[in-house]
Amino acid sequence: QKEVEQNSGPLSVPEGAIASLNCTYSDRGSQSFFWYRQYSGKSPELIMFIYSNGDKEDGRFTAQLNKASQYVSLLIRDSQPSDSATYLCAVRAGRRALTFGSGTRLQVQP
Amino acid sequence: KAGVTQTPRYLIKTRGQQVTLSCSPISGHRSVSWYQQTPGQGLQFLFEYFSETQRNKGNFPGRFSGRQFSNSRSEMNVSTLELGDSALYLCASSLDGGVNEQFFGPGTRLTVL
Repeated sequence: QKEVEQNSGPLSVPEGAIASLNCTYSDRGSQSFFWYRQYSGKSPELIMFIYSNGDKEDGRFTAQLNKASQYVSLLIRDSQPSDSATYLCAVRAGRRALTFGSGTRLQVQP
Repeated sequence: KAGVTQTPRYLIKTRGQQVTLSCSPISGHRSVSWYQQTPGQGLQFLFEYFSETQRNKGNFPGRFSGRQFSNSRSEMNVSTLELGDSALYLCASSLDGGVNEQFFGPGTRLTVL
């Protein structure tokens, strides 16, 4: 079992819809959770981080964390074609290395 | 504030050669991590340095090594290059690791012929 699991996709949504990206992790000691966006040929860009159970909103993005169920999700409201990218979930426990999922490819159809 | 910088951005080497990649973290950041990214394997963690000490290490052979200097700049070295080492090598910095956010540089694209 991988430490951080993501559906590879592609997840296809129409422009203006809500895109929901999910991630599960295996280490119950995980304390910090990150979402990165990576465009093809570019490096990952941090878009959200969350440390506590519940929701955290930043513009069109909402990160949701449920430590009891060991999942973290990212919602993108009013999806735009420019949101088409691979979204990487990353998890860290204490000072251990940041562990990445394999990413979910999102396609927003105009 | 300047971001993470990596040099060189592109590199072509032949099998058996060695290569050194450089990373300058965001000013004030003391933790530097290195990753290898390939289409088939995704982002694979190589190692993390904090205050000139290797704090974490991934599952890569000893041909991959790194170091960090007193100004937090870091280098990674790959000796005896193999075709399978062709990848995007990414460096990321954070204040001190732990819960702090990690920011990536643009990467070095290494091609081994």
